[in-house]
Amino acid sequence: SQTIHQWPATLVQPVGSPLSLECTVEGTSNPNLYWYRQAAGRGLQLLFYSVGIGQISSEVPQNLSASRPQDRQFILSSKKLLLSDSGFYLCAWSLVAGGLTDTQYFGPGTRLTVL
Amino acid sequence: QKEVEQDPGPLSVPEGAIVSLNCTYSNSAFQYFMWYRQYSRKGPELLMYTYSSGNKEDGRFTAQVDKSSKYISLFIRDSQPSDSATYLCAMTPSGGSYIPTFGRGTSLIVHP
Repeated sequence: SQTIHQWPATLVQPVGSPLSLECTVEGTSNPNLYWYRQAAGRGLQLLFYSVGIGQISSEVPQNLSASRPQDRQFILSSKKLLLSDSGFYLCAWSLVAGGLTDTQYFGPGTRLTVL
Repeated sequence: QKEVEQDPGPLSVPEGAIVSLNCTYSNSAFQYFMWYRQYSRKGPELLMYTYSSGNKEDGRFTAQVDKSSKYISLFIRDSQPSDSATYLCAMTPSGGSYIPTFGRGTSLIVHP
């Protein structure tokens, strides 16, 4: 069966510090990978998605970046965090099979607080 | 107008009640509909997945799609305190982009 891991689970960082969040998927190959942010009381905001190694699409211009160095690894980074970067960050994976649409499966999330 | 509208609640019901959670949408191309449950401080977990119109039942949960009205529902029978969570709907069109459009979620509280 497939599992998705995210770490760290919780992170408190000062404004202006760098960020690196990691997501890995087990039990599948060539998944589509996604980074979302969920602010308190708000919906899911798609930040980045990737359909393969080195292929990253950005949905929202911001000071965040994403990389996919390996098939099942997805990293979210920032060089300098802003207060507005606080939120709950979710990684998700999906497969496209036989023409059916993706169903996304989410990781446990990372709660980021920028002070 | 947002593509997917979902009342954020909270919806508070007594244990044992039948719960109805709903989403409306504007894009007639949506064909695949999903419901996720998200407990506080956890990632969303997929509850049910349906295609096109009709009903789908899984235990105490029933998903209903009415494409003519662009309206989907999730019914929970015999609700339990453990059902207290935020429920998000999501949907995608057939073909083209496979990235779901999510509703903002409805917070459900089932009190004993």
